[in-house]
Amino acid sequence: EIVLTQSPATLSLSPGERATLSCRASQSISNYLAWYQQKPGQAPRLLVSDASDRATGIPARFSGSGSGTDFTLTISSLEPEDFAVYYCQQRSDWPPYTFGQGTKLEIK
Amino acid sequence: QVQLQESGPGLVKPSGTLSLTCAVSGASIRSRHWWSWVRQPPGKGLEWIGDIYFTGTINYNPSLKSRVTISVDEAKSQFSLKLRSVTAADTAVYYCARWGPYFDYWGQGTLVTVSS
Repeated sequence: EIVLTQSPATLSLSPGERATLSCRASQSISNYLAWYQQKPGQAPRLLVSDASDRATGIPARFSGSGSGTDFTLTISSLEPEDFAVYYCQQRSDWPPYTFGQGTKLEIK
Repeated sequence: QVQLQESGPGLVKPSGTLSLTCAVSGASIRSRHWWSWVRQPPGKGLEWIGDIYFTGTINYNPSLKSRVTISVDEAKSQFSLKLRSVTAADTAVYYCARWGPYFDYWGQGTLVTVSS
């Protein structure tokens, strides 16, 4: 089973700042990685697929990069609605599909 | 607009069977997608349970495979989850989701508590 490790666990930033979230896979997963955003009481929302493809309707301030074992989600300038928990998820080697443990992005 | 809606009991007794159904609207359950179940214990991360294609082909998470059954009812445009021999560790919000690839549409989730 592929393990995804996200860092940091918590990221404290202010609106307008740049956020950089990391996801590391226990083995190479090519570019088969997605990022999701989850707000309290809501289902996750797909942000990025295949490491760098923004999902429909996702603002351009969200961007994904990486391949192999190291991936990054960047939010170029934080808006108040961006403070949430972010998960990465792989589809390279399944079953099972696996998720990272999440990064909580909180307001500083 | 694709919509998924979970339904089922919110409370299940230990050693009992958790049963949930997901109704799909706005898309054909016969489309080229897989239909998944994902769960999230309170305050914790996401765990994929398994998925099904409309033909009946199924994949399960090996960690749950011995206790899980997923089925599909094309006529009703819905798919279902059964989890047997539940314990408190199975208390979670259960989501149904569409895989196409990646989970692009989700239900709002339903909390299932395992307690006597």
